[in-house]
Amino acid sequence: GAVVSQHPSWVICKSGTSVKIECRSLDFQATTMFWYRQFPKQSLMLMATSNEGSKATYEQGVEKDKFLINHASLTLSTLTVTSAHPEDSSFYICSASSGTASNQPQHFGDGTRLSIL
Amino acid sequence: GEDVEQSLFLSVREGDSSVINCTYTDSSSTYLYWYKQEPGAGLQLLTYIFSNMDMKQDQRLTVLLNKKDKHLSLRIADTQTGDSAIYFCAEITGFQKLVFGTGTRLLVSP
Repeated sequence: GAVVSQHPSWVICKSGTSVKIECRSLDFQATTMFWYRQFPKQSLMLMATSNEGSKATYEQGVEKDKFLINHASLTLSTLTVTSAHPEDSSFYICSASSGTASNQPQHFGDGTRLSIL
Repeated sequence: GEDVEQSLFLSVREGDSSVINCTYTDSSSTYLYWYKQEPGAGLQLLTYIFSNMDMKQDQRLTVLLNKKDKHLSLRIADTQTGDSAIYFCAEITGFQKLVFGTGTRLLVSP
């Protein structure tokens, strides 16, 4: 149980393109979804937290106009990297949780490798 | 601060035990987690421990928590080559926010 699917797994596109990444909880309802960014050989950095039906909460230093997050249903959240540039190249990982209590762990997708040429 | 520290690298032989250490700083963390990340993949939740526990065992995995020293460890018994991966500890702070450690790369040699 607790499967999170992330799509696509790898995308390569030209500078200036907008890229949408989907995160789906397959067998549970995700009240809260999280988006992380991971640079090579580094840890995960939280970008934003999204609750179904409300605006995402962004971490300090993350541009909300650059990284658009939509959490329209209890099973789907999307991250759109708008007008992507080479410095946006990274590994993006989403996670989902079925509740707001600390004892409900986050379950992670397999990540999306974004390469901007 | 919210720094979670781990040693960067650990190398063991197949069949040995591996111990991965983690030091966290937020004494109010209620849960502490261990995640495994294989190359190019997301994170797999291995186990977690509630802050009022000292130890938790789950098959080959043993988690020890020293709350006084804010020290967490993960012991993998009978380590296999398939255990080679990066292991992250993480603590919960605030509203379900996970703060990850720096990650420990475990290499298991035959």
